[in-house]
Amino acid sequence: ETGVTQTPRHLVMGMTNKKSLKCEQHLGHNAMYWYKQSAKKPLELMFVYSLEERVENNSVPSRFSPECPNSSHLFLHLHTLQPEDSALYLCASGILESYEQYFGPGTRLTVT
Amino acid sequence: GNSVTQMEGPVTLSEEAFLTINCTYTATGYPSLFWYVQYPGEGLQLLLKATKADDKGSNKGFEATYRKETTSFHLEKGSVQVSDSAVYFCALVFPGFQKLVFGTGTRLLVSP
Repeated sequence: ETGVTQTPRHLVMGMTNKKSLKCEQHLGHNAMYWYKQSAKKPLELMFVYSLEERVENNSVPSRFSPECPNSSHLFLHLHTLQPEDSALYLCASGILESYEQYFGPGTRLTVT
Repeated sequence: GNSVTQMEGPVTLSEEAFLTINCTYTATGYPSLFWYVQYPGEGLQLLLKATKADDKGSNKGFEATYRKETTSFHLEKGSVQVSDSAVYFCALVFPGFQKLVFGTGTRLLVSP
């Protein structure tokens, strides 16, 4: 499969659960991103990884923990989330020297 | 800080109508400007871009012109189709920073 893929597409979790979101890109890009998309709010950049090194963390709470084991895979580990964390989580990849980012379809997360 | 403001939706049009979605930005300097589109159940896709003043980006019948004097990048299409129904996001980035700043998105609904 080409492009950026995300799994799962939908996730419902309790506040005490631990879960992980997965993102995979097959575009040969050297940067990967996590965004949070909430209703009626601009997309919020959460994390940026370049060549597997985290280069930006936009003051995201520690209950969100990213992991980038290689240039093709990106994870977002979730634990003790709050209901306000319910949102669409989008992964994107790109080339740092370029302006364009390519997005996956997102994971719709509901915290109960 | 840098920000993007879009008109609130939804914008509701009949097929073959003329479309304008307004976008203005606040930034120190001269960013590159983008329009992304998000179809139902999918991630964001780059629709068009402009990297300097007076540039016109175009794709799939959509156009937007980078207006430095009015700090605007309005999206237009002469004749919309039902398949254009989606959420449209205006965004900016400063070269070298790779941090896209998005607007809140404008939902377009086109009826037959």
